[in-house]
Amino acid sequence: QSVLTQPPSVSAAPGQKVTISCSGSSSNLGNNYVSWYLHLPGTAPKLLIYDNNKRPSGIPDRFSGSKSGTSATLGITGLQTGDEADYYCGTWDSSLSAVVFGGGTKLTVL
Amino acid sequence: EAQLVESGGGLVQPGGSLRLSCAASGFTFNTYWMSWVRQAPGKGLEWVANMRQDGSEKLYMDSVKGRFTISRDNSKNSTYLQMSYLRAEDTALYYCARFRRYLSSWYFDLWGQGTLVTVSS
Repeated sequence: QSVLTQPPSVSAAPGQKVTISCSGSSSNLGNNYVSWYLHLPGTAPKLLIYDNNKRPSGIPDRFSGSKSGTSATLGITGLQTGDEADYYCGTWDSSLSAVVFGGGTKLTVL
Repeated sequence: EAQLVESGGGLVQPGGSLRLSCAASGFTFNTYWMSWVRQAPGKGLEWVANMRQDGSEKLYMDSVKGRFTISRDNSKNSTYLQMSYLRAEDTALYYCARFRRYLSSWYFDLWGQGTLVTVSS
């Protein structure tokens, strides 16, 4: 059971928009920035969003992030079949003194 | 181009030891925290350990404290994970990652391809 809670799966049609939620508590998301990662199992995960809403160079603006209180959201617009992957949120948990991840959300582009 | 390449994974018996290595290139290694993150079969990402640039601070997940040791050699642009008293539940793909930490910001901005550790008799 993960400290951060994500939906196990989401799906949408090509070209559409999808959001992935990440819920935590005051000891993690409530007091620390969230980051988001794209991961195809067996390959190197990729940083998509850091500091709640910043994109590293090379990440298209189809990807966006937001945070409010103890919840965060990743948004993906203009869905492409190549976006099919697992997505994880992550942050620091001050009570656990540990980096924590959500359980991951599998995105299917129908 | 910045890159991380892991090595050292393999099959080991329960109770055994293994040392993972991570070679960094394309960036100034001694200015970054480094980390290990793992993914067990069918499971999500799980942080294992972090280490400050100069080695003065090391952080571990609870289940590996006392069994795993993270280290680095800045002269070789490498970080290591010494794993002892291995258990079946340590079976996972282990990723080396560059860790960014300042104030309330914590994230991994560069990852390797991973090295597989299998603990089984």
